[in-house]
Amino acid sequence: DIVMTQSPDSLAVSLGERATVNCKSSQSILYNSNNKNSLGWYQQKPGQPPKLLIYWASTRAPGVPDRFSGSGSGTDFTLTISSLQAEDVAFYYCQQYSTPQWTFGQGTKVEIK
Amino acid sequence: EVQLLESGGDLIQPGGSLRLSCEVSGLTFSNYAMSWVRQAPGKGLEWITAISKSFKTYYADSVKGRFTISRDNSKNTLYLHMNSLRVEDTAVYYCVKDLDYWGQGTLVTVSS
Repeated sequence: DIVMTQSPDSLAVSLGERATVNCKSSQSILYNSNNKNSLGWYQQKPGQPPKLLIYWASTRAPGVPDRFSGSGSGTDFTLTISSLQAEDVAFYYCQQYSTPQWTFGQGTKVEIK
Repeated sequence: EVQLLESGGDLIQPGGSLRLSCEVSGLTFSNYAMSWVRQAPGKGLEWITAISKSFKTYYADSVKGRFTISRDNSKNTLYLHMNSLRVEDTAVYYCVKDLDYWGQGTLVTVSS
């Protein structure tokens, strides 16, 4: 199985500042048909299901604010919140979908400092 | 509007069986692969099983041989048949369409 490892486990950022979450895959998750990485990012708030933010490592899902961006290649990926808002307090998960057997990172808790 | 509505969660004793359902509306159900993802209390997300639109199935090692995923395209419904339930199967179970649509989840509690 492909192992996804996130860092840090938690971070506290001041309102309006940048938050960065990292994700590393244990092997390549490149989808050869389109040369894109099969990497998604989700936001989950308490009592709610996860919400897809980013897919193909850098494509924002419909309706997602542009302060959220994804980047990376190979086995290292990053979710960036350019200017943290109060409503962004949540857990964030990366996910690989290069095989039908998806795997998720362990999650990163983002809080306000 | 796409909606996924899970049902069937319950309190069940270890060793018992349960069937979860996920009724899907707002899209052509037969065109999409579907998955079940679970989340134990206070823990992260765990993919457990998927079924393709051609009915090919995939399972995580943690549930292989105990859980069975199936779909009824005539009823726009996804199922998860769970046997030999263990305490560690306690979780909220979400049905998921591709990556982008998740149900609200149904709670399965395995306890004596």
